[in-house]
Amino acid sequence: DAKTTQPTSMDCAEGRAANLPCNHSTISGNEYVYWYRQIHSQGPQYIIHGLKNNETNEMASLIITEDRKSSTLILPHATLRDTAVYYCIVRVSTLTFGKGTMLLVSP
Amino acid sequence: DSGVTQTPKHLITATGQRVTLRCSPRSGDLSVYWYQQSLDQGLQFLIQYYNGEERAKGNILERFSAQQFPDLHSELNLSSLELGDSALYFCASSVGLGERLKQYFGPGTRLTVT
Repeated sequence: DAKTTQPTSMDCAEGRAANLPCNHSTISGNEYVYWYRQIHSQGPQYIIHGLKNNETNEMASLIITEDRKSSTLILPHATLRDTAVYYCIVRVSTLTFGKGTMLLVSP
Repeated sequence: DSGVTQTPKHLITATGQRVTLRCSPRSGDLSVYWYQQSLDQGLQFLIQYYNGEERAKGNILERFSAQQFPDLHSELNLSSLELGDSALYFCASSVGLGERLKQYFGPGTRLTVT
């Protein structure tokens, strides 16, 4: 399974776009990129996933580079409630959560 | 609200004891997963059941066991508890095997072993 690298923490101003990067240079052809987030002590929440193409849903957009070695999760208009740890997961079979990125959205 | 329910929310027990955590998946979901989250280990996958059968095992200790019942609810049994078993235990569910990485997590059970 591919290893992922994410920044430990990021800050974002409320109302601005939050762009969370993830490197997964060893990703293989059949591995999807999944993003989850966990608000303090709550259960993780699925956000979005993709294989090759960019994806968008009501929560976020996922941009995957053409070589699939990295991706960016975009929260278009961050709110205080988006403060959470964001996990980028590249797997085939089971979810493995690394340390993620702690996103702090400030007023 | 993910639709996944877990009981109890909190559990305090002593070392050496045995406890049972319960999970009800979202309506229609056939797969159930258990995770442990402790301060030092992060969120770790323990075990997966699909339609009553064990499908995948992660870092689950031999003192821990789980099962999924015909009505699809699941129970995680933890025995001979140690202080290090204190953690948040999450249950998640997914529709089936095809979308097994798109999981819906419950609110968790906080276990404190004293």
